[in-house]
Amino acid sequence: QKEVEQDPGPLSVPEGAIVSLNCTYSNSAFQYFMWYRQYSRKGPELLMYTYSSGNKEDGRFTAQVDKSSKYISLFIRDSQPSDSATYLCAMSARDDKIIFGKGTRLHILP
Amino acid sequence: DTGVSQDPRHKITKRGQNVTFRCDPISEHNRLYWYRQTLGQGPEFLTYFQNEAQLEKSRLLSDRFSAERPKGSFSTLEIQRTEQGDSAMYLCASTINNQPQHFGDGTRLSIL
Repeated sequence: QKEVEQDPGPLSVPEGAIVSLNCTYSNSAFQYFMWYRQYSRKGPELLMYTYSSGNKEDGRFTAQVDKSSKYISLFIRDSQPSDSATYLCAMSARDDKIIFGKGTRLHILP
Repeated sequence: DTGVSQDPRHKITKRGQNVTFRCDPISEHNRLYWYRQTLGQGPEFLTYFQNEAQLEKSRLLSDRFSAERPKGSFSTLEIQRTEQGDSAMYLCASTINNQPQHFGDGTRLSIL
C-alpha cells in the first residue's frame, strides 16, 4: 500500500459545479496537509495548507482533514475553466519531506 | 521576482552525457529540497539541505546523482552518465521554519 492514495482521474465537470477531490493516507506521523495545483509544464503551486483536523476555507476553496479516518478532501465551489489543472494532495511529518499523491487531472467544461 | 528559480527550464541531452541543474531558492529560506516527477505521477523526494548541509538522500538518488549547496544559497543537482530512465521533471522547493514548501517551475530533462 502506498503512503498516499489519490485517484488520478481524469475528472470532468461543467463550469459552476462543485468539485470534490480526495486522498487517503496510511502514515499516522503525517501532521501537515497540503493541496497543490499544477498546470502543464509548471511547478506545483500551493493552494491550501493545514495541520489540524477540520475545515479550512480560502475563497472558493475548502480543505478538509479527518485524521481519524486518514482522509483529506479539497472542495472547489463555482468551478471555472481556469481551474482545469492537476491537483496534488501532499502531506508531511514535522519538518520533513513531502509525500505526494499521484495527482487528479481536473477538466472544467465551459 | 521572489519565487524559486530553476535553470535551465528544459535540457535535451544524449544518453551517457553529464548534466547539471541549478536552483535559486526564495531569499532567506534555509531549507532546499529536490524532487523528481515523471509523467502521470506526483513529485518524489530526492534530497534536501538545511543551509549547506545535505541532511537526507532518497534511495532514488543513485551514485550517478550528486547535489550541492556550497554557501547555503543556490543548489546544483548533477547527473552523470545519463540514462533513459532519468528523463523527468526535476523540481526544487524551498522553505523556512515549518512553513509550506514553495516550488520552482522545474527543469525538464529529455534523454535522446
